[in-house]
Amino acid sequence: NAGVTQTPKFQVLKTGQSMTLQCAQDMNHNSMYWYRQDPGMGLRLIYYSASEGTTDKGEVPNGYNVSRLNKREFSLRLESAAPSQTSVYFCASSELQGNWNIQYFGAGTRLSVL
Amino acid sequence: RKEVEQDPGPFNVPEGATVAFNCTYSNSASQSFFWYRQDCRKEPKLLMSVYSSGNEDGRFTAQLNRASQYISLLIRDSKLSDSATYLCVVGPRDDKIIFGKGTRLHILP
Repeated sequence: NAGVTQTPKFQVLKTGQSMTLQCAQDMNHNSMYWYRQDPGMGLRLIYYSASEGTTDKGEVPNGYNVSRLNKREFSLRLESAAPSQTSVYFCASSELQGNWNIQYFGAGTRLSVL
Repeated sequence: RKEVEQDPGPFNVPEGATVAFNCTYSNSASQSFFWYRQDCRKEPKLLMSVYSSGNEDGRFTAQLNRASQYISLLIRDSKLSDSATYLCVVGPRDDKIIFGKGTRLHILP
């Protein structure tokens, strides 16, 4: 079972370059999320999508855009990368069942912006 | 007060010992509670959900104290493979869950 798949696994960008991080899930989940994780900061929510066709800002949305292409795919775009966006990015998906929101994560994308 | 707070550690514990972590949360309306485990340079993975009456999964026991707004994780007979960061997770808030920053555990041989 693939679960949540992220591509690429590693990326190095120069300041000002753009790129899109891809995420796909095969669990038929409605909700998908993008987080970044920095040392000492924990997981911070960038954007999330509660269902196909909807997206909402999380805690740290500035400098990012997202697209919920279909139920399976949720992409994160950096239009003009900055060194402050050097981080590990995780995509997650979940199926909200009442109050229970168990999230399943992809393996992460390690991004360095020089 | 932060939404979810954990002692960052590290906890350095000899193999075979028992170790416990607490996590406090600020939103008294929270309804769901979890412990996730994250290995170095890997993604977080669900360790166990935490139920109101407390629950056990092998060597792991989770407890919820709603009155004092904390959850706990107890690991008995610790193994070297238990070395990881343990994330406390609380929800929901606007259909989202809130992650603590994690507690690092090192099991020493």
